[in-house]
Amino acid sequence: GESVGLHLPTLSVQEGDNSIINCAYSNSASDYFIWYKQESGKGPQFIIDIRSNMDKRQGQRVTVLLNKTVKHLSLQIAATQPGDSAVYFCAENTGNQGGKLIFGQGTELSVKP
Amino acid sequence: NAGVMQNPRHLVRRRGQEARLRCSPMKGHSHVYWYRQLPEEGLKFMVYLQKENIIDESGMPKERFSAEFPKEGPSILRIQQVVRGDSAAYFCASSPRAGTGNTGELFFGEGSRLTVL
Repeated sequence: GESVGLHLPTLSVQEGDNSIINCAYSNSASDYFIWYKQESGKGPQFIIDIRSNMDKRQGQRVTVLLNKTVKHLSLQIAATQPGDSAVYFCAENTGNQGGKLIFGQGTELSVKP
Repeated sequence: NAGVMQNPRHLVRRRGQEARLRCSPMKGHSHVYWYRQLPEEGLKFMVYLQKENIIDESGMPKERFSAEFPKEGPSILRIQQVVRGDSAAYFCASSPRAGTGNTGELFFGEGSRLTVL
């Protein structure tokens, strides 16, 4: 079946470095993508989103890149901080389905001080 | 403005018992979604409800699981005759509207962690 998956299950970076978390999706009909951050014992927290008619979107210290040709999504975190340590999920939304999302497996980001 | 409230946060049940998980959406939100998360996995969609209606239950197991969102009160996810494989974190999310494709407006609760002994 179609799914959203992540390339790397764990990522360890030094504080202050930039982090890049990758995600592959297989449903070409998906038109909306979201990155979530989940800290231990908590619910997913919205970080940034992007629609399929865009290839880049920037937020505060975060940038999402979308490459529809290869069905690839990435999250870039600038100047990574210890508070960024968490599991990051990409999710896709197909059509006009509101909150019905398909989540990837997740990447655990660990920031070393 | 309180966020999505879920209770209990932790629930322990023995095999064969019933589990009831509650979700109060954010104020003004009438759309509720339930997701299940197994250890070290992503969230899996279970069901989407509006007040008094089940809109999409394509992710719900056919047996033992049911969900409701009554006119008054929280949404309830009910699991009958629990088995060990039901052990997971169950997350509720709410949204003020449906079908916009803008899930930046989707807010998750802290989850209810069910452990089946």
